[in-house]
Amino acid sequence: DAGVIQSPRHEVTEMGQEVTLRCKPISGHDYLFWYRQTMMRGLELLIYFNNNVPIDDSGMPEDRFSAKMPNASFSTLKIQPSEPRDSAVYFCASRGLDRAGANVLTFGAGSRLTVL
Amino acid sequence: GQQLNQSPQSMFIQEGEDVSMNCTSSSIFNTWLWYKQDPGEGPVLLIALYKAGELTSNGRLTAQFGITRKDSFLNISASIPSDVGIYFCAGSKYGGATNKLIFGTGTLLAVQP
Repeated sequence: DAGVIQSPRHEVTEMGQEVTLRCKPISGHDYLFWYRQTMMRGLELLIYFNNNVPIDDSGMPEDRFSAKMPNASFSTLKIQPSEPRDSAVYFCASRGLDRAGANVLTFGAGSRLTVL
Repeated sequence: GQQLNQSPQSMFIQEGEDVSMNCTSSSIFNTWLWYKQDPGEGPVLLIALYKAGELTSNGRLTAQFGITRKDSFLNISASIPSDVGIYFCAGSKYGGATNKLIFGTGTLLAVQP
C-alpha cells in the first residue's frame, strides 16, 4: 500500500488566491482527517469524515475553509481566499484496522502551504 | 485548541544514552498514543495505550499509560542517530476510537553520534 497520498507537497501562493489541497486515503480506511501544523499551535484537527460524510468540522478556523470527500478515495481541503496566517503544513490522515485489528491513524507526508 | 503539556521541549544526547519524555494533561484521557515525526514527513505511530497502567514496548521504546489517566511517558533505550526527530504524545478522551486526538507540543530529540 502506498499510504496516504497528499498533493501538492509544497504550494506558494499570494494572499487572496484559492488553494486546493488533495488527499487519497489508504484503501479500505473509513475515516479521513485533516490536520494543520504550525509552530505556534502544533497539530490541530480541522475536520474528519466517516464513510465520506463530514462528522465534525468544529476545528475549521472560518468560512474560508471548506472540505469535501466526494468518494472513498479522495478528499479536498480548500481555502478561499487564502491569507498569510493560513501558512502551515496541512496533513491528511486516514484510519482503519491494522493487521492486529487495532485502529491505526496513518498520516500523509503533508502539504506545506506558504501564503505571501 | 487544547494541547497536552509535553516535556522536555528538546533533548540533545549522546548515542547510547537512554531518553525519557512525558506528557501531562489536566483532563482524563482514555487513549494515549506516541508518534514520531521526521523532517518533511507526517507523524508515524510508535505505541498505542488503551488502559490505565498499561506498559507497552516496541523494540527499544517503552511507553506507559499513567494510573491517573492524566499522563503518559515514553522511554527510548540505547539511543541511535536515527532516533532523531520530534516525538509527539496524543490523547483521546473518547477511548478506543481515536477520532478527536489532542496532540502534545512535541519533544525534539537530537542524538550525537
